Amino acid sequence: NAGVTQTPKFQVLKTGQSMTLQCAQDMNHNSMYWYRQDPGMGLRLIYYSASEGTTDKGEVPNGYNVSRLNKREFSLRLESAAPSQTSVYFCASQGTGRANYGYTFGSGTRLTVV
Amino acid sequence: GESVGLHLPTLSVQEGDNSIINCAYSNSASDYFIWYKQESGKGPQFIIDIRSNMDKRQGQRVTVLLNKTVKHLSLQIAATQPGDSAVYFCAENIFGGYNKLIFGAGTRLAVHP
Repeated sequence: NAGVTQTPKFQVLKTGQSMTLQCAQDMNHNSMYWYRQDPGMGLRLIYYSASEGTTDKGEVPNGYNVSRLNKREFSLRLESAAPSQTSVYFCASQGTGRANYGYTFGSGTRLTVV
Repeated sequence: GESVGLHLPTLSVQEGDNSIINCAYSNSASDYFIWYKQESGKGPQFIIDIRSNMDKRQGQRVTVLLNKTVKHLSLQIAATQPGDSAVYFCAENIFGGYNKLIFGAGTRLAVHP
């Protein structure tokens, strides 16, 4: 099925550990995004990639790095996890052109840092 | 279980009633708006969108109303069903050389039989 695939779905990390969240889309979209979602705070943008080869900081980039590996894949890395990074992480992609600004989201990665 | 949405405002309705979910957006320069539905344990799902040159758009059982004067957006769901129970987010698109959606905090809709 076409869409956005995120792995893993669940992860528990110890403080200081590192990990990479993977995201891939098969819709040939140019733009990809990483959001975190915390209770009562909606979706906050961590990083985005407007096109292959470019990445930019969003609202809450501290503690994260990203890689736009190719047009399909956009990964999010936590180099040294902290309890404040416990959250649900969503990857999204967006088509181009004024007819298609809606995002397609993945099903999320639920990360707990202990 | 799903912890997102624990502290969100909640709208409780009876099955079969109409629901109205409201959203205030932040930027008068926004020219595109989207409503998303998020069920427990899932990612947000596109419901309906509207451009700033319109004040109303209808879909299947849903209607979005846009009032640019007061920067207000609403989602109306007709004949609400138990399957409509979810968290609903509005999002605005602010142009500036790139497309980036800004999301509201969300409203939980609880449908009671």
